[in-house]
Amino acid sequence: DAEITQSPRHKITETGRQVTLACHQTWNHNNMFWYRQDLGHGLRLIHYSYGVQDTNKGEVSDGYSVSRSNTEDLPLTLESAASSQTSVYFCASSRQLQETQYFGPGTRLLVL
Amino acid sequence: GENVEQHPSTLSVQEGDSAVIKCTYSDSASNYFPWYKQELGKRPQLIIDIRSNVGEKKDQRIAVTLNKTAKHFSLHITETQPEDSAVYFCAASRSSTGANSKLTFGKGITLSVRP
Repeated sequence: DAEITQSPRHKITETGRQVTLACHQTWNHNNMFWYRQDLGHGLRLIHYSYGVQDTNKGEVSDGYSVSRSNTEDLPLTLESAASSQTSVYFCASSRQLQETQYFGPGTRLLVL
Repeated sequence: GENVEQHPSTLSVQEGDSAVIKCTYSDSASNYFPWYKQELGKRPQLIIDIRSNVGEKKDQRIAVTLNKTAKHFSLHITETQPEDSAVYFCAASRSSTGANSKLTFGKGITLSVRP
């Protein structure tokens, strides 16, 4: 069955380190998104991509980057991890815009 | 940009009663309004959505209504059950193309259904 996966599911890192969170989907969706979820803030968009080689900044993109070299993957990189980036990160994908976004299981990141 | 607000932040209902969760949005050009449900420790999942060309949509025990004039939309759950306990997120977007297609989410409402 087609699915969307994230790895790792849990990560502990230290401030200043570079961290990459993986997102992989097998639906062949063009649209992929990264959100962070924090208590009291809901889901906030970090970066998104509408296809290979396309990336765009969301509302909370500072300190994060993404790259889209193929349809299936959208890795999220924290260039220099900060304690403020401790959060739960969700990747999502959709076939068409303004259609269902399918979320991955999430990655819980702790920056010490 | 779009601003989506949800009120109240928490809601508790007795099992079998109805629950209504309301969202307001700021951008009058928004035309797509989905609702996502997130159970504890799980990923968000779409439960229903509505587009601006209709005023109401139903799917079994859940329904969504849209008031474009007042810029608000509501999720209605009838005959609530314990498994309806979750965080519910509303969202809005204004276009099916380009940067304006991205969803802006509300902060979520925690619904608790008391057995």
